[in-house]
Amino acid sequence: ETGVTQSPTHLIKTRGQQVTLRCSSQSGHNTVSWYQQALGQGPQFIFQYYREEENGRGNFPPRFSGLQFPNYSSELNVNALELDDSALYLCASSLGLSDQPQHFGDGTRLSIL
Amino acid sequence: QKEVEQNSGPLSVPEGAIASLNCTYSDRGSQSFFWYRQYSGKSPELIMFIYSNGDKEDGRFTAQLNKASQYVSLLIRDSQPSDSATYLCAVTSHNNNDMRFGAGTRLTVKP
Repeated sequence: ETGVTQSPTHLIKTRGQQVTLRCSSQSGHNTVSWYQQALGQGPQFIFQYYREEENGRGNFPPRFSGLQFPNYSSELNVNALELDDSALYLCASSLGLSDQPQHFGDGTRLSIL
Repeated sequence: QKEVEQNSGPLSVPEGAIASLNCTYSDRGSQSFFWYRQYSGKSPELIMFIYSNGDKEDGRFTAQLNKASQYVSLLIRDSQPSDSATYLCAVTSHNNNDMRFGAGTRLTVKP
């Protein structure tokens, strides 16, 4: 069974740039959720995709957008990067909706200079 | 009031003792409750999940849920140094569209 994989592992960008983070869900999982985790904080929900449709969104501005593909992999896109976007970005997959246990990938560490 | 609250710790227990981690939540409609373990620099790892009032045991771990008190806890029996990590409590919202996390409790198990 293949777990959740994320790429890249680390990324350094400058303010104003755009970034795309990628996630492959665990085998058999059709739901992907994205979270932002700042240092010393718990993960904050960005949005969730279920069967290629957005199924819920947290308190993040529209410059955070996403996609889910037919194979259930997903992308997180962030435009107009700000210094506060520096964080660990986590992808989690599950079977069905978010009341099911979610399993996390290793995350992408994004640093904004 | 934060939606999910945990004592930040650090909580320090000797090896072999019981570690008790607590979490309260504000949304009375919450339906599903999760405990994740996160080692420094790593991603969260699912430890336990519980949906109904009462206790649920898995090996050295026991999750306890009391919906009337909006309280969920995690007990770790026979604590080991390898249990030293941050423990995150997570709760699904009433519309089941997202999972809300507490800030985590840092646990240290001393040999």
